[in-house]
Amino acid sequence: QKEVEQNSGPLSVPEGAIASLNCTYSDRGSQSFFWYRQYSGKSPELIMSIYSNGDKEDGRFTAQLNKASQYVSLLIRDSQPSDSATYLCAVRTSYDKVIFGPGTSLSVIP
Amino acid sequence: NAGVTQTPKFQVLKTGQSMTLQCAQDMNHNSMYWYRQDPGMGLRLIYYSASEGTTDKGEVPNGYNVSRLNKREFSLRLESAAPSQTSVYFCASRGGVGSPLHFGNGTRLTVT
Repeated sequence: QKEVEQNSGPLSVPEGAIASLNCTYSDRGSQSFFWYRQYSGKSPELIMSIYSNGDKEDGRFTAQLNKASQYVSLLIRDSQPSDSATYLCAVRTSYDKVIFGPGTSLSVIP
Repeated sequence: NAGVTQTPKFQVLKTGQSMTLQCAQDMNHNSMYWYRQDPGMGLRLIYYSASEGTTDKGEVPNGYNVSRLNKREFSLRLESAAPSQTSVYFCASRGGVGSPLHFGNGTRLTVT
């Protein structure tokens, strides 16, 4: 089992809709969780960090963490064509490793 | 403010050649990481260093060696390059507990 899994894509949503991205992890000792966005040919850039159970909102982005279920999600409200990218879930494990999921490709259709 | 600097940006090697990818950060971060990215596979951790003087294997360490030369620099060496090591390599660093990764611009390596 891979340490970090993400929902398989590609995911297509119409402009203005909500995009929902999911991630599960296997190390129960993990404490820090991150969502990165990566455009083709570019480096990953941080969207959100989350450390505690519950929701964290930043503009159009909401991250949700449920440590009991070992589940992290990212909601993008009012999706825009510029949100079209690959979204990477990353988890800092109990050994200070930071492991990424395989990524979910999102396309926002105008 | 340079952040994380990787050199070179592009490299072509023949099978069996060796090379070292360089990474330096100017953010006084303790932890540094090397990842490789292949199409459809996200980023896979090769090696990481939680502090100066320590290194640990990640998910895909075979065929690579690393050196944490000092707090700023973390190099990745391919002793005998293979076509399977064709990939984009990213170096990253992070500060204290809970801090996110900061990435370099990547090195695109092709082994023929």
